Amino acid sequence: NAGVTQTPKFQVLKTGQSMTLQCAQDMNHEYMSWYRQDPGMGLRLIHYSVGAGITDQGEVPNGYNVSRSTTEDFPLRLLSAAPSQTSVYFCASSYDWGQYTEAFFGQGTRLTVV
Amino acid sequence: AQSVAQPEDQVNVAEGNPLTVKCTYSVSGNPYLFWYVQYPNRGLQFLLKYITGDNLVKGSYGFEAEFNKSQTSFHLKKPSALVSDSALYFCGRNTNAGKSTFGDGTTLTVKP
Repeated sequence: NAGVTQTPKFQVLKTGQSMTLQCAQDMNHEYMSWYRQDPGMGLRLIHYSVGAGITDQGEVPNGYNVSRSTTEDFPLRLLSAAPSQTSVYFCASSYDWGQYTEAFFGQGTRLTVV
Repeated sequence: AQSVAQPEDQVNVAEGNPLTVKCTYSVSGNPYLFWYVQYPNRGLQFLLKYITGDNLVKGSYGFEAEFNKSQTSFHLKKPSALVSDSALYFCGRNTNAGKSTFGDGTTLTVKP
């Protein structure tokens, strides 16, 4: 029972490089989202998707792109990495986007931009 | 402004003692509130949620939370803390737009 799987677990990028953080879930969840976690700032929503083909911006979307071509996958793309994007990134999914639905989180990707 | 807040960055408690991790909210209407726990190098795990009804909600690992509308609080509690409860705890809520917002987190340290 895999749940939410994120790859890679660790990544070091040079400023200006691009990369894609992968997220896959096997629970047939409609709703998926990306967060970044920074010390003292909790989790901040980057982008989210309420279903395949539908994405929207969260609280801190600048510098990130997403797409949702399938129910299972929700990759996060950094187009030109900056040191300010050094963070731990979490992907989450939930059965739907109802107010009373809890989220399932991946184990995170620790990204360092030098 | 945050709609949920965790007023304490750090909580320290001795093993066997009761623990409380505080959360307050500022939401009009029904506040759908959640508690999650994050162990080192892991993602968040759902503990419990308040939707409506009973003000005392029971969750995983012996945790419970008390919803108090007059004090706009949703504190996480456990009668007897374990060293293994040491972790980072987040209070959160879902908005009607399907987004989740979280407090800044509280680090719980349980000492033997």
